Amino acid sequence: EDKVVQSPLSLVVHEGDTVTLNCSYEVTNFRSLLWYKQEKKAPTFLFMLTSSGIEKKSGRLSSILDKKELSSILNITATQTGDSAIYLCAVAGSQSGTYKYIFGTGTRLKVLA
Amino acid sequence: NAGVTQTPKFRVLKTGQSMTLLCAQDMNHEYMYWYRQDPGMGLRLIHYSVGEGTTAKGEVPDGYNVSRLKKQNFLLGLESAAPSQTSVYFCASTRGYSYEQYFGPGTRLTVT
Repeated sequence: EDKVVQSPLSLVVHEGDTVTLNCSYEVTNFRSLLWYKQEKKAPTFLFMLTSSGIEKKSGRLSSILDKKELSSILNITATQTGDSAIYLCAVAGSQSGTYKYIFGTGTRLKVLA
Repeated sequence: NAGVTQTPKFRVLKTGQSMTLLCAQDMNHEYMYWYRQDPGMGLRLIHYSVGEGTTAKGEVPDGYNVSRLKKQNFLLGLESAAPSQTSVYFCASTRGYSYEQYFGPGTRLTVT
């Protein structure tokens, strides 16, 4: 059965700390891995990683895909209170012509001032 | 450019009632999706569509029906609501399969 597992489930840090969020997956016919940030409402897109693009960086956020280990990490450096959110990992795969995105349950990050 | 919009934002139903959730996108995306989000369960795919006039089942389709009569709209119907369908429903769209999804603001549905 396809699955995406994120760890830790929750994390509390202080402003300025660096955090690493983990995502491991077992998904049939992997196509891409995506990271989203969810604050109060809808998830917003952060990064997409594929076999041809295994590292992405944007400001203080960066992500790496390890296709051998079937995992990805999301790093946030110099955290700010505005980084407090749930971070979701999703993997796009397919099986017998059916397309699907499998989401993890998320990591809840709280950054204290 | 509104992106993805959903109506209504909130709804309370009694068991057995029916309703339709509307999703609209103005990005000319081919693919559209309906998810439900429950505490501790993450986002689960209900149904999706790869183009106008097409629909397909996702991970948890039972109790829901969908239609995609126009490219920009994707409707989710509950024919006979049950308390187990209490959830937050998100619609999303993508320009193609496996690309980033753009999500609507969500609909919070409570079935009593």
